[in-house]
Amino acid sequence: SQELEQSPQSLIVQEGKNLTINCTSSKTLYGLYWYKQKYGEGLIFLMMLQKGGEEKSHEKITAKLDEKKQQSSLHITASQPSHAGIYLCGADVQAGTALIFGKGTTLSVSS
Amino acid sequence: NAGVMQNPRHLVRRRGQEARLRCSPMKGHSHVYWYRQLPEEGLKFMVYLQKENIIDESGMPKERFSAEFPKEGPSILRIQQVVRGDSAAYFCASSPSAGGWDEQFFGPGTRLTVL
Repeated sequence: SQELEQSPQSLIVQEGKNLTINCTSSKTLYGLYWYKQKYGEGLIFLMMLQKGGEEKSHEKITAKLDEKKQQSSLHITASQPSHAGIYLCGADVQAGTALIFGKGTTLSVSS
Repeated sequence: NAGVMQNPRHLVRRRGQEARLRCSPMKGHSHVYWYRQLPEEGLKFMVYLQKENIIDESGMPKERFSAEFPKEGPSILRIQQVVRGDSAAYFCASSPSAGGWDEQFFGPGTRLTVL
């Protein structure tokens, strides 16, 4: 089974609407990282969360980490077409090793 | 400061041929990581290298795949005798130090198609 589950797999929202993407780990999280990927391009680092209850925001994107639930959520407020892309969560589940990634959530924003 | 460079961006090979993928890390970065993204799957770690050393190759298939990061020049991911299942996007990332995932910058990827 997948160690890092993302939901939903894909999402279509109308411009201006809010949305939430979830990432759940089957292992203890040492760190949780959110990336955005556009087709044909590499990953762009968005945010890193390390402590339980930590919450970070950048422009209209907010990410939270629920350490007890081994889960993180990414919330976008008032979505815009520029938010469209694939959102990937990456987790550090064992200190000093490579990240594991979820399969990604494809977001489309209709205007 | 140029970002992580990968070339070629697209590579087409016939079954049995060799594929060589290159990655030039960001200036000042001596740690390179290779990932593979198969269709409908997430990004999977393959290998982590520091200049002239392979640090962790736990994600690398045992056969046909090899990686190097010489003292001079780019990191190379080499796939010998490619098969259709090797078709994927291969990404490299670089960082100035070990771990430091928030400092890890990704290249645009090389999309390999095996006919």
